[in-house]
Amino acid sequence: GAGVSQSPRYKVAKRGQDVALRCDPISGHVSLFWYQQALGQGPEFLTYFQNEAQLDKSGLPSDRFFAERPEGSVSTLKIQRTQQEDSAVYLCASSLWGRGGYNEQFFGPGTRLTVL
Amino acid sequence: SQQGEEDPQALSIQEGENATMNCSYKTSINNLQWYRQNSGRGLVHLILIRSNEREKHSGRLRVTLDTSKKSSSLLITASRAADTASYFCATYLQGAQKLVFGQGTRLTINP
Repeated sequence: GAGVSQSPRYKVAKRGQDVALRCDPISGHVSLFWYQQALGQGPEFLTYFQNEAQLDKSGLPSDRFFAERPEGSVSTLKIQRTQQEDSAVYLCASSLWGRGGYNEQFFGPGTRLTVL
Repeated sequence: SQQGEEDPQALSIQEGENATMNCSYKTSINNLQWYRQNSGRGLVHLILIRSNEREKHSGRLRVTLDTSKKSSSLLITASRAADTASYFCATYLQGAQKLVFGQGTRLTINP
């Protein structure tokens, strides 16, 4: 079956532009996660949804970052007024269940954002 | 901030040799996982070891976990060129719903 997909795969933005990154999780997966991966580093948690509810947004680095999942399926990560330090790969992951113990997270290929 | 630290940061070996990577973490965990990431590709889950397990095998992979030292190791035996990738350990924190990754080990297998 289809895995997690993300679009676009690459995005170049001028500093100050707004960007929107899309994630299509595996069908039926309850939980959805966004991670940010800087060059040469491991992924860092940004935010977590269970269905349409955003249960944890503790990793969002500033109020310029906003994520939504209005119908509990597709999610969008929006970054307003992009800065050069926002350049990174943004990874989306989904898992089958919500709370109640660990469930394997399946990752998408990521969106590489470059802010000039 | 990241939970784990991997050691070494980079490792280069000849094809057929064994590769060992280490990971240390800071807090109590439910489980620890290892992921592989090839250049330009997403993360692929390799193996999960639970906090009450000490060793686990999967094909050419062997993972150990020492909760008293808050450390884990990943051994890849009989390495192949296709094993060239970055390897990350990740912990799933008790009470949380997120993975916390280390900085990774960049493994290069030379033919």
